[in-house]
Amino acid sequence: NAGVTQTPKFRILKIGQSMTLQCTQDMNHNYMYWYRQDPGMGLKLIYYSVGAGITDKGEVPNGYNVSRSTTEDFPLRLELAAPSQTSVYFCASSSRAGIALAVQDTQYFGPGTRLTVL
Amino acid sequence: AQSVAQPEDQVNVAEGNPLTVKCTYSVSGNPYLFWYVQYPNRGLQFLLKYITGDNLVKGSYGFEAEFNKSQTSFHLKKPSALVSDSALYFCAVRDANSGYALNFGKGTSLLVTP
Repeated sequence: NAGVTQTPKFRILKIGQSMTLQCTQDMNHNYMYWYRQDPGMGLKLIYYSVGAGITDKGEVPNGYNVSRSTTEDFPLRLELAAPSQTSVYFCASSSRAGIALAVQDTQYFGPGTRLTVL
Repeated sequence: AQSVAQPEDQVNVAEGNPLTVKCTYSVSGNPYLFWYVQYPNRGLQFLLKYITGDNLVKGSYGFEAEFNKSQTSFHLKKPSALVSDSALYFCAVRDANSGYALNFGKGTSLLVTP
């Protein structure tokens, strides 16, 4: 199992450009999440999905969009990049379906995408 | 809202000495608490979690955490620190209102010196 994979690893964008951060998991997890990490701020939830076709906003959704057409994939879209979106982005997944309580909710993280907007 | 706080930005400890990284929580209902570690330029790795049961939770790489309900704390501990334990440590609490996402503390940088 590859776990959670993210592409690209690094990206530099100009203000106003758009891009999609890719996230794929091969663990058949129903829950997926996007977080951003800013220095000294911990991680903040951008969007989450509880299953294919279902997404919802987290704490900091402005400037982002997501979709979940399959169980495996959860791409994050930046439409008009702004310097405030310079950050490290992490995708994570977890399962709550039909498994023991002790295993539920453990989130597995991808390696991250470091994005700079200039 | 479910939240955690990590009062220390950095913890320094000598190799071989015990280490403690502090975390306090504020939740309504029963807390589901987690510790993650992040090595430089890497993603977060799961260390351990508290759901229910024993107050002392054992995790990966020799780490353990003590859940204390009266002090609303969930401190991470290790009896003997290694230089390779140097990393950024995050405490987190599950938020059932956001698809069971995690609310993270700001992180504590652990530096273990030889």
